Parts: sequence; C-alpha cells; structure tokens
Amino acid sequence: EVVMTQSPATLSVSPGERVTLSCRASQSVNNLLAWYQQKPGQAPRLLIYDTSTRATGVPARFSGSGSGTEFTLTISSLQSEDFAVYYCQHYNIWPPWTFGQGTKVEVQ
Amino acid sequence: QVQLMESGGGVVHPGRSLRLSCAASGFTFSSYGMHWVRQAPGKGLEWVAVLSYDGSNKYYTDSVKGRFTISRDNSKNTLYLQMNSLRPEDTAVYYCAKGGLWVVASGLDSWGLGTLVTVSS
Repeated sequence: EVVMTQSPATLSVSPGERVTLSCRASQSVNNLLAWYQQKPGQAPRLLIYDTSTRATGVPARFSGSGSGTEFTLTISSLQSEDFAVYYCQHYNIWPPWTFGQGTKVEVQ
Repeated sequence: QVQLMESGGGVVHPGRSLRLSCAASGFTFSSYGMHWVRQAPGKGLEWVAVLSYDGSNKYYTDSVKGRFTISRDNSKNTLYLQMNSLRPEDTAVYYCAKGGLWVVASGLDSWGLGTLVTVSS
C-alpha cells in the first residue's frame, strides 16, 4: 500500500498570502495524483487531477506540480473561501488509492 | 449536472448488515467507474472500494475485504455497497463518487452528500 503523507498538518495564513501544501508518496505514483478541498459539513471537491490539471470550474489561483513521490498544491493568493482542509490522493495502477491525512488551512 | 445521492445509512449493531445505495443522474452512469469513500467522525478520507463501468472489476481496501461488496445496476443508474459483519470502526459518513470514463483509476470528480453509518451496541 502506498502511504501518502501531507505537510504541514495545519497552516495558519492570512487572506492574500501564497500557500504551498506538500504531499509525499511512499513510492512513485506516476503522477496519478489528485487534490481535493473539503469544507466543514460538505463533501470533498476535486481541485486537481493528474498532478497538475485543474478540474472544471476550479479557479486559476490553484495549481499543482510535482512528480514521482513529491507533489505540491499552491494557492497563489488565498481567498476567504479557500479556508478548508485539503487532501491528496494517488490513483496509481493498483489500489488501495489512499488519501493523505489532510492539511487544514486556517485563518491566522 | 451530475448528481449523486446516497441513502441507506443508519444506526446498526455490531455484526449486522446494511446496504447503501447511490442514485446517479446527469451523466452516462454505465460508462464510468464508481467509488465509495468514507470519513469517520472528525477524521480524514478513506478510500473504500471501486467498481468498473461494467461491473467486471472491483477492488477494496483491506479492512473491508470479505465483508463489503460493491455492485451496480446500470439499468437503474444506481451504485450499491453491501456491508456485512459491521464493526464499530466502520462508523463513518459514506460518500459515493464518480470516477473516470471507462477506467477505475482516476480522480473523483463528483461526490454525493454522504450517508452516515453508525455501528454501535
């Protein structure tokens, strides 16, 4: 099983700041990696798939990068609606397609 | 637009069974892999199972193998999760999620609102 490790667990930031979230896989996932946003009481929402492709309707301030085992989600200028928990998930060839434990982005 | 609506959750005693349903609309259900993902109270997301578009391939996370069965009825645009021998650690909100066109390995681009399963004596 591929273990996905996200860092940091919590990030305290102010609106307008640039935010970088990290996700590390215990082995290569061949860039088959997605990022999700989840707000309290809501279902997750797909932001990024295949490491760097934005899902439909996702603002351009969200971008994904990385390769192999190291991946990053960047929010170029944090908006008030972006305070949420962010999860990475791999979907490399064989399941289970594990999620990271999440990074909470909170107001500083 | 894509809509996924889970149902069937509730409170159940350990060792008992429950069947979840997910009614899909707004897309060609029979062409997409479909997943179940769960989230224990206050915890992160856990991928549970996937079923290919035609029902021929199914995969599970280890903790539910032999107890849970994923299935679908493409004539009814509905995904199911039969959960047997339930344990307290299965307590979670269960989400169904839409996967990829013709494939099982993909990002999950649409999610239902979830249904809560509570396993308790």
